Amino acid sequence: QKEVEQNSGPLSVPEGAIASLNCTYSDRGSQSFFWYRQYSGKSPELIMFIYSNGDKEDGRFTAQLNKASQYVSLLIRDSQPSDSATYLCAVNPGNTPLVFGKGTRLSVIA
Amino acid sequence: ETGVTQTPRHLVMGMTNKKSLKCEQHLGHNAMYWYKQSAKKPLELMFVYSLEERVENNSVPSRFSPECPNSSHLFLHLHTLQPEDSALYLCASSQSWRGSEQYFGPGTRLTVT
Repeated sequence: QKEVEQNSGPLSVPEGAIASLNCTYSDRGSQSFFWYRQYSGKSPELIMFIYSNGDKEDGRFTAQLNKASQYVSLLIRDSQPSDSATYLCAVNPGNTPLVFGKGTRLSVIA
Repeated sequence: ETGVTQTPRHLVMGMTNKKSLKCEQHLGHNAMYWYKQSAKKPLELMFVYSLEERVENNSVPSRFSPECPNSSHLFLHLHTLQPEDSALYLCASSQSWRGSEQYFGPGTRLTVT
């Protein structure tokens, strides 16, 4: 059973702080990793993907991947109230559709 | 139209009705998906199609019946639903069903009365 684990939260951070969202996965052969943002009542939106160990930066977002530890994270710098949403981690195990985590709810307090 | 579209956006139906949800993708993708998301619950994968062939379905009650007439269109036919089927139904598409990133439509909010 391929699993993707996320802390459900809520994770509360003050405006301007760094929000750190974490995800672990069970299938060591997983090849690529994605972060989706889902606002309440809306559909998930792809915001980041990462394939290689290390960091990948896109604006205020940084995805971090450590395949040895089977761990992927998303950092949001200078958090804004508009970043308040549920963040879904998704993993590509290679021969199946993406496996989604249950999501972490982020609340940015003004 | 761009991306993935879904109609209707909202649907209220009685338990004896029959209705269909429609999804269309304008991305040239080969795979399409149906997901169910109940209130404050995680995504549940229902059906996966690749080039109009069903490749995966995950123990979904027979009152949900998918149809994929071509690689751009996906339907979910609904009949004799239960109140617990009320949820957000999401369609997604991807280049390949084997682990490609998925792009979601806006969803259909279904209420069964």
